Parts: sequence; structure tokens; C-alpha cells
Amino acid sequence: QQPVQSPQAVILREGEDAVINCSSSKALYSVHWYRQKHGEAPVFLMILLKGGEQKGHEKISASFNEKKQQSSLYLTASQLSYSGTYFCGTEIDAGNMLTFGGGTRLMVKP
Amino acid sequence: NAGVMQNPRHLVRRRGQEARLRCSPMKGHSHVYWYRQLPEEGLKFMVYLQKENIIDESGMPKERFSAEFPKEGPSILRIQQVVRGDSAAYFCASSRGRQTYGYTFGSGTRLTVV
Repeated sequence: QQPVQSPQAVILREGEDAVINCSSSKALYSVHWYRQKHGEAPVFLMILLKGGEQKGHEKISASFNEKKQQSSLYLTASQLSYSGTYFCGTEIDAGNMLTFGGGTRLMVKP
Repeated sequence: NAGVMQNPRHLVRRRGQEARLRCSPMKGHSHVYWYRQLPEEGLKFMVYLQKENIIDESGMPKERFSAEFPKEGPSILRIQQVVRGDSAAYFCASSRGRQTYGYTFGSGTRLTVV
């Protein structure tokens, strides 16, 4: 079952914040986040393992609520380079393949 | 340290021909995953392989599609008798092992069936 991402698209001005959510109907072992720019390969951002941890990567951080089977990606003080499509990938057991959500298109304008 | 290498980058095939997509995983990675992506859509899982083993092929269409990862050489995704609906970007990713690691994706092969 594919995880559900929301919103599907968001437009920001430089410096604004955004939150992207990822929900699963199944219990999860981990959640991965990737960013893909148009015509390019997806690039790994971070992994969150069950245990409700929060991680940070520059001004991009994420949380994982194991009980709610949800993860959120937080982008603060957005930069033009943050534009792209963000995908969450979920793993139901350690070592399984990732199932990706439909993506959230983020556009940051000057 | 070369990343995941996919070739060709672009492939044009006529309906009914065969398409062969190649993927060399990142050095030190023994697990390979193939995903298909239609324009403006997400990544759909196709198959997960280790050397000489198919671990999970639940996303592969039952007919015309096959994949292998031989002891020597790259992983190959083969599509026989291609149809227009096979046109898509095919991404290969590799990871370090069965424990949870991030994937490294290749640049993809864009298949166009005419």
C-alpha cells in the first residue's frame, strides 16, 4: 500500500517555511525522504527509524510518529535550491524495499 | 567513487522490440532495486535483487519483464515486445545491505516506445 503525501504541491517565497506529511496505513519500520529535481535522479535526504526520532539536515528536518504511522518533513527558511519534488519512502520491515508516496511538488520563488 | 551507473540514458524502441536497461551499483553496494516513473508521477517499485538472487519481484508485470543481477556484471532489466505503455523513466537504486540504509539512485534510463 502506497503512503499518502500531503500537500500535493506547495509554492513558497524564499525564506518561508513548509511542512510535508507522509501517512501510511501499515506499521512502519522506517521512513526515508528524497528530493528529485526535474529530469534528475532522486537524492537521499534522511532516514527515520521507528522510535519517534527527529532528524535534521541543514535547515531540513523530519519527525516520525510511529504510533500514528506518520512522518513530517520540515523545511525552514526555504531557499531557491529547495525546489523540487519530495518523496517519502516507507519500509515495513528492516531490509525490505521502499514503497514511495506520490510526491509533493515544492516551488520556491524569489 | 562513482555512483550508480545506468545506461543508456535514453533509449528509443519500436513497438515489438526488446529493451535492455543496465545498472551498475555503487561500489560496496550489493542490493539493487528497479523503479519505474511515469511523467509527473511517483516511483513504482518493480524488483529487488541481490547477486544471483531475486529477493522481491512483486512489482514486476507478469509478462514481458525480467530482471537479473549476475555474479559478474551489471544488473539488467529486460522488457520484451515493448508497447507504448512501457514508455517511462526507469531508475535503478543500490544500497549497502539488508539493514536500513539510504538508497543511491542512478540517473535513470528514459525509454520511449514509438
